[in-house]
Amino acid sequence: AQSVAQPEDQVNVAEGNPLTVKCTYSVSGNPYLFWYVQYPNRGLQFLLKYITGDNLVKGSYGFEAEFNKSQTSFHLKKPSALVSDSALYFCAVNTGNQFYFGTGTSLTVIP
Amino acid sequence: DVKVTQSSRYLVKRTGEKVFLECVQDMDHENMFWYRQDPGLGLRLIYFSYDVKMKEKGDIPEGYSVSREKKERFSLILESASTNQTSMYLCASTPFPGQGNYEQYFGPGTRLTVT
Repeated sequence: AQSVAQPEDQVNVAEGNPLTVKCTYSVSGNPYLFWYVQYPNRGLQFLLKYITGDNLVKGSYGFEAEFNKSQTSFHLKKPSALVSDSALYFCAVNTGNQFYFGTGTSLTVIP
Repeated sequence: DVKVTQSSRYLVKRTGEKVFLECVQDMDHENMFWYRQDPGLGLRLIYFSYDVKMKEKGDIPEGYSVSREKKERFSLILESASTNQTSMYLCASTPFPGQGNYEQYFGPGTRLTVT
């Protein structure tokens, strides 16, 4: 069965510090991996995706993510956090028609 | 830009009522999805559709049905609303069936409260 795990429900980071939001996955076949962000009372917005090629992918708002096949991970990163990055972040995987989402990580950037 | 719209942002219904949630996308996407989002559970797939009049059950279809009479519109129906269906409902679309490399485009969500 396909599954996605986000081991941290909550991540706090000081403004200006680097941030990491963790994601691991378990799928059969080659995965397509995604990160989405959700602001309060809004739908999800696409941040970035890994399809193939370079393991480091860059996305919107200065975010990037590193695909690690051996560790089956796809961690989201940003070199310098902003207060406006505070939101709920979801990792997702797809191998065909259906997406599987993690339970979400709430990121709080402290001024 | 792709736009996915949902008919209501907030909805309050009584137990036993029939509830319709409407979703419309304007980019001619083949695939459409309905999820519910609950704290600590993430997004759970209720139903999806890869073509007009086609539907597939997701992980939690019980208590729900769907309708897709036109390509751009995907409706979620709660035949007899219950309090455990109080949740945030999200609609999404992607362009091509069977190609998982395309990201989903989400609507703003409908926060449904059943009293």
